[in-house]
Amino acid sequence: QSALTQPRSVSGSPGQSVTISCTGTSSDVGAYNYVSWYQRHPGKAPKVMIYEVTKRPSGVPDRFSGSKSGNTASLTISGLQAEDEADYYCCSYAGSYSHVAFGGGTKLTVL
Amino acid sequence: QVQLQESGPGLVKPSETLSLTCTVSGASITSHYWSWIRQPPGKGLEWIGYFYYSGSTDYHPSLKSRVTISVDTSKNQFSLKLSSVTAADTAVYYCAGGVKTYLVFDYWGQGILGTVST
Repeated sequence: QSALTQPRSVSGSPGQSVTISCTGTSSDVGAYNYVSWYQRHPGKAPKVMIYEVTKRPSGVPDRFSGSKSGNTASLTISGLQAEDEADYYCCSYAGSYSHVAFGGGTKLTVL
Repeated sequence: QVQLQESGPGLVKPSETLSLTCTVSGASITSHYWSWIRQPPGKGLEWIGYFYYSGSTDYHPSLKSRVTISVDTSKNQFSLKLSSVTAADTAVYYCAGGVKTYLVFDYWGQGILGTVST
């Protein structure tokens, strides 16, 4: 059982928007602004899409955005494209004892 | 372009030590934060620990007694040793690097399957 809770799967049609949630606790997601999101295509290395809750690395399309409310962080993908179909993982700082917590991953299907 | 590549034995016997190496190209091992992350079959990602060249290092508390992460600057590599392995340690192991902090993984390897079995 992963420390952070994500839906197992989400889906959307091309052009639509989808949001993936990541629920933690007041000791991780709720306590720190160190939430990041990673995209992983089958057989490929994961790629950072969002860091520090809302920041987008250079080269990541602005269709990807992050937010946080309380103990839940969210990744929103607008204008869905076929290449967005992948697994997405959230990650949060969890304090000086546990350090880093990951979510179980969400499979995004573009219909 | 920074690239990471994991290598090591894919099969280890129970109670033995799993040893993996990550070779870094495009960046110096003396900069950045270097981590190991794993994913057991059917489960989510799990952070194992990190190393920074200054000597700063730390591990997930559930693995701390069995894990060592070290760096070989002459080969621009860093390594993972996980001792006394059991079947529960079977996973895909990823090496990853962070530019500013060990909390953000800017670079990843493709992963290597480490199987614990007789």
